[in-house]
Amino acid sequence: GQQLNQSPQSMFIQEGEDVSMNCTSSSIFNTWLWYKQDPGEGPVLLIALYKAGELTSNGRLTAQFGITRKDSFLNISASIPSDVGIYFCAGRRNQGGKLIFGQGTELSVKP
Amino acid sequence: GAVVSQHPSWVICKSGTSVKIECRSLDFQATTMFWYRQFPKQSLMLMATSNEGSKATYEQGVEKDKFLINHASLTLSTLTVTSAHPEDSSFYICSASPFVKESGNTIYFGEGSWLTVV
Repeated sequence: GQQLNQSPQSMFIQEGEDVSMNCTSSSIFNTWLWYKQDPGEGPVLLIALYKAGELTSNGRLTAQFGITRKDSFLNISASIPSDVGIYFCAGRRNQGGKLIFGQGTELSVKP
Repeated sequence: GAVVSQHPSWVICKSGTSVKIECRSLDFQATTMFWYRQFPKQSLMLMATSNEGSKATYEQGVEKDKFLINHASLTLSTLTVTSAHPEDSSFYICSASPFVKESGNTIYFGEGSWLTVV
């Protein structure tokens, strides 16, 4: 099925460093969502974006909904070991519609 | 945030038997729920969209007679894996979306259910 292009696939960083990941699509979405998934658990919602150009923060996390509505990025500042996990972007075209997922970014943080 | 709960968290069943997984929205009503399957180190693969009071919509390649979905109420959807085989072993995740204006277009996920068929 269709997927969003998410990059990078994996990141190995030092504790305290900032992290940036992004998703792009060839088509428009009306909602962008960012999730974090720990091993053996379901994805947990981090940030939801509903308007083009919207910039939203959640603690050390910041995400933006691209102006073209075809992309989004997620930044994590001052990473800590518990940030380890897989981060997924997801787009939704309309309320009630299905989510289209990115391939995921696996983040490893070295203490 | 909204809570979606799955049960059981893990189940082991014998080949040829059927197993049911429940997905509940605990603090909101959901006319639509989604069922996913996830393989290790991969993204979530949408299996079907569960619609309250009507038939589920299955994604291409997903056998509807194999994966039975019932969305009997606004807070409960069930996935039944029929005549399970070892290749059905996987992590199954459901999600639901509150259809209220203030929640926008957000989808919340359950904790997932591990199925092992032996």
